[in-house]
Amino acid sequence: DGGITQSPKYLFRKEGQNVTLSCEQNLNHDAMYWYRQDPGQGLRLIYYSQIVNDFQKGDIAEGYSVSREKKESFPLTVTSAQKNPTAFYLCASSDRAGLAGELFFGEGSRLTVL
Amino acid sequence: EDKVVQSPLSLVVHEGDTVTLNCSYEVTNFRSLLWYKQEKKAPTFLFMLTSSGIEKKSGRLSSILDKKELSSILNITATQTGDSAIYLCAVPNAGNNRKLIWGLGTSLAVNP
Repeated sequence: DGGITQSPKYLFRKEGQNVTLSCEQNLNHDAMYWYRQDPGQGLRLIYYSQIVNDFQKGDIAEGYSVSREKKESFPLTVTSAQKNPTAFYLCASSDRAGLAGELFFGEGSRLTVL
Repeated sequence: EDKVVQSPLSLVVHEGDTVTLNCSYEVTNFRSLLWYKQEKKAPTFLFMLTSSGIEKKSGRLSSILDKKELSSILNITATQTGDSAIYLCAVPNAGNNRKLIWGLGTSLAVNP
């Protein structure tokens, strides 16, 4: 079945460590996104990519990095520079070029920093 | 500053009730408004409303866009326990339509 797969679902990290969250889609979508979801706050955009080898910062990109080497994959690295990394991270994709229309979301990755 | 406000923040109803969720927006150059349902983890798309499509319906769910009032409502009739979820509303950012401005969501609990 087509969809978006995020891994791991749960991840624990010690302070000072970088971690990489995986996001893979087989929907043949051009655009991919990373969001962060915290209690009491709306979804916040971290990074997005409209095409392979290109990506743009979202509203809260500091302390994060991404790559888009393949159309299917958009991994997110949470670096030690991210001050408050404990959160629920959602990856999404869209096939509407130039329009943030229907997004397909993965099941999310919950990161806890100990 | 562009923003999206949803109300109520939470709601508890009994099975069979009808509920109305609200989404108000302030955004320049409005293009569309989207509704999503988040049951446990992954939000799933419900509707997209635009100036040319101000009313959408799917089964017991329906949504209307009121451009004059800068708002939208999501109606759920004959609610079921499976409707329990967080309902999210979003509007594309005026300066970059790849960025969505999200509301905080309405948490709906349907009790048997």
